[in-house]
Amino acid sequence: EAGVAQSPRYKIIEKRQSVAFWCNPISGHATLYWYQQILGQGPKLLIQFQNNGVVDDSQLPKDRFSAERLKGVDSTLKIQPAKLEDSAVYLCASSLDRQGITFYEQYFGPGTRLTVT
Amino acid sequence: SQKIEQNSEALNIQEGKTATLTCNYTNYSPAYLQWYRQDPGRGPVFLLLIRENEKEKRKERLKVTFDTTLKQSLFHITASQPADSATYLCAPSGGGRRALTFGSGTRLQVQP
Repeated sequence: EAGVAQSPRYKIIEKRQSVAFWCNPISGHATLYWYQQILGQGPKLLIQFQNNGVVDDSQLPKDRFSAERLKGVDSTLKIQPAKLEDSAVYLCASSLDRQGITFYEQYFGPGTRLTVT
Repeated sequence: SQKIEQNSEALNIQEGKTATLTCNYTNYSPAYLQWYRQDPGRGPVFLLLIRENEKEKRKERLKVTFDTTLKQSLFHITASQPADSATYLCAPSGGGRRALTFGSGTRLQVQP
């Protein structure tokens, strides 16, 4: 079974520039998550999709971050304009999830390491 | 606000010994608690889940305990090996919310 794919793996941009990350979840996984992981910290949820609808975006800085999941499969996360504090690893995860089942483990991609200079 | 605490200092142990990692949480009543492993340059990988009505869970050399009174989970690796060296993250979860809130992780270094 193919895992969660992310690209690019690394990105270096200057502050105030824009950047986009792409995620392809495991086939058949209804739920997709974007997490931000700053060095030395655990991943922090940015946004959660169920199919192509947003379930939780309460921690997404909406003035500069946006995300979409077209057709309930691939997803892109965009930052515009980037700030120095956005330097982090952006992780995409997916899980199977079916109604009535309380837990499905999350599968994470390798992440995109973003450096903002 | 909800808070999750894991030892920020790295844990260094000798091969063959048992490693014990701690996860404490406050202002939470999680229905279950998950443990993940993260290697450098990789995403976290799920290891174990323990539910609030379970005291202990085992999987091969791994053992997790969950004390809802103390608001604490302990993660044990017995007969540790250098290949167990990684950062271990805990994530108290539940309450209808599938997204995970992680602790900052504890780095384990097993010396040969």
